[in-house]
Amino acid sequence: ETGVTQTPRHLVMGMTNKKSLKCEQHLGHNAMYWYKQSAKKPLELMFVYSLEERVENNSVPSRFSPECPNSSHLFLHLHTLQPEDSALYLCASSPSTGQGYEQYFGPGTRLTVT
Amino acid sequence: LAKTTQPISMDSYEGQEVNITCSHNNIATNDYITWYQQFPSQGPRFIIQGYKTKVTNEVASLFIPADRKSSTLSLPRVSLSDTAVYYCLVGNAGKSTFGDGTTLTVKP
Repeated sequence: ETGVTQTPRHLVMGMTNKKSLKCEQHLGHNAMYWYKQSAKKPLELMFVYSLEERVENNSVPSRFSPECPNSSHLFLHLHTLQPEDSALYLCASSPSTGQGYEQYFGPGTRLTVT
Repeated sequence: LAKTTQPISMDSYEGQEVNITCSHNNIATNDYITWYQQFPSQGPRFIIQGYKTKVTNEVASLFIPADRKSSTLSLPRVSLSDTAVYYCLVGNAGKSTFGDGTTLTVKP
């Protein structure tokens, strides 16, 4: 499926690096999400955007900085990360954040912080 | 947010019907129930969604009793490729929480 794409698929970065994850949805949806999934743990919702406005920020450290320039694109800017930030980062979109809408997920970016 | 409880793991054999039950005692009046499937190192994939009674699509059925405090995902005639983690979510897309899910292992 190519409804939600993420780049890069794999990323290795040092703790002093700055990198960005990119997500693009081709479904015409108005809501986009960032999730973190650490090894053998459930998905953790990080950020929610609705019509390019951030509507949810689940106590995420400031070293993660989201950006939503339009309803089709979502970025996650990373800086000064810690080894425990190594995880699968998943982007998702949905028609709306309201009731009755399922989310469509991208393939994820596997991030390793060294 | 409604908390969900699912069995941690289940085993089945090819060709069998599998039923996974999720408890959500504090579901709100306007909450929907959504199930996702996730394979290792991939994003979750939507399976089915319902509000009450029974919903059926080409891959699964979802049974919701009248009190809506639980729901059961039914997978007919599973195959080895159905081995995955299955998540039950309650709430809207912007506020749902993924729990630990149920790891289903289908054996030959």
